[in-house]
Amino acid sequence: DGGITQSPKYLFRKEGQNVTLSCEQNLNHDAMYWYRQDPGQGLRLIYYSQIVNDFQKGDIAEGYSVSREKKESFPLTVTSAQKNPTAFYLCASSDGLANKETQYFGPGTRLLVL
Amino acid sequence: AQSVTQLGSHVSVSEGALVLLRCNYSSSVPPYLFWYVQYPNQGLQLLLKYTSAATLVKGINGFEAEFKKSETSFHLTKPSAHMSDAAEYFCAVSDLKSSASKIIFGSGTRLSIRP
Repeated sequence: DGGITQSPKYLFRKEGQNVTLSCEQNLNHDAMYWYRQDPGQGLRLIYYSQIVNDFQKGDIAEGYSVSREKKESFPLTVTSAQKNPTAFYLCASSDGLANKETQYFGPGTRLLVL
Repeated sequence: AQSVTQLGSHVSVSEGALVLLRCNYSSSVPPYLFWYVQYPNQGLQLLLKYTSAATLVKGINGFEAEFKKSETSFHLTKPSAHMSDAAEYFCAVSDLKSSASKIIFGSGTRLSIRP
């Protein structure tokens, strides 16, 4: 059964702590994305990767970091520099580099600050 | 630059009534347009997409949308609302200036269904 998995479903961060959100896909998609969703707002792009070992900043990359060492994995680290990390984080993937490609989304991770 | 505006952050209709969710886009070239649905605490699911073929696009769950270039609109409709349609709906447009498959999302419309 192909799809995108995100873990954990809920994540709690303490002050000054870095946390990592997992995103795995078995769709054999080249491109992967991380979005942040806040209440009453649309999705905002944090980082995206078009191919293994390459990634680009999105619109709100400050305080976040990513890696793309494997095609199927695109973990997101929320660093202590991100002062307002409480949000719903969504990972997505798409097949190919053409801009018409549909993005498929994982179930999301909700990050809360203790 | 491409952008999307969803008119109405919250729409409420009675069960069995027509659903109309409005979306207007801004793009200097023919766009690719999408409607996604999000149920509480879940990811987004593609409802339908327009990719310059037929202007009336049919999607899942009985939804459809019509691309109107003259009005720069891509409104989502369903003839008869069902309780299970209650969710948040996002209109989106491809960022054609980007070499990657970047999508720009609207701010969303929450659809409520009254019994």
